[in-house]
Amino acid sequence: AQKVTQAQTEISVVEKEDVTLDCVYETRDTTYYLFWYKQPPSGELVFLIRRNSFDEQNEISGRYSWNFQKSTSSFNFTITASQVVDSAVYFCALSGRGTASKLTFGTGTRLQVTL
Amino acid sequence: EAGVTQFPSHSVIEKGQTVTLRCDPISGHDNLYWYRRVMGKEIKFLLHFVKESKQDESGMPNNRFLAERTGGTYSTLKVQPAELEDSGVYFCASSQVPGQGASLSYNSPLHFGNGTRLTVT
Repeated sequence: AQKVTQAQTEISVVEKEDVTLDCVYETRDTTYYLFWYKQPPSGELVFLIRRNSFDEQNEISGRYSWNFQKSTSSFNFTITASQVVDSAVYFCALSGRGTASKLTFGTGTRLQVTL
Repeated sequence: EAGVTQFPSHSVIEKGQTVTLRCDPISGHDNLYWYRRVMGKEIKFLLHFVKESKQDESGMPNNRFLAERTGGTYSTLKVQPAELEDSGVYFCASSQVPGQGASLSYNSPLHFGNGTRLTVT
């Protein structure tokens, strides 16, 4: 069975602070995919990143960066110099090989960025 | 390119009534998925269509839920009769089927709609 744990239910930071959202996963698959989605107040789920299990390189996209560590089964997401527009619920998700994007989601972390 | 659209955005119904949710995927996306998020919990998979065929409906909670995708275009999800525990946000998502030559392990990112918030009172 697959499981994704996002232990942080809600995080509040002041603008320009850095913040890390934790994601820990469990799977028996040797090939799998990890995702992060953002849900802004408007409600849609916005795709942020997909990572293959055989590629442990960290990735940076602007103020966003992701740290994938198979040894600890973690796929953490860091926002540098946070902005008010980053306020949203962030979901980490996992899918196995050949499951055609059937995703197992975590419960989400609500990030509130204030001035 | 138009995104995944869902209708209605909100629905409030009484226990025992019927509600039908609609999803229009991105044009050309053969994969269509329904997910549901009950308040405060994780988003859970309901079912997956490839064109008009149900590929996986292992997440459907019970036989009060009926999903269809006639013609392989838009999809509907009907709840009949609705119960209080059916309240939540229902998301639809679509993705492309990998083309020839793509790895069998390729998982296309899902494009989600805004969701339908269903409240059963």
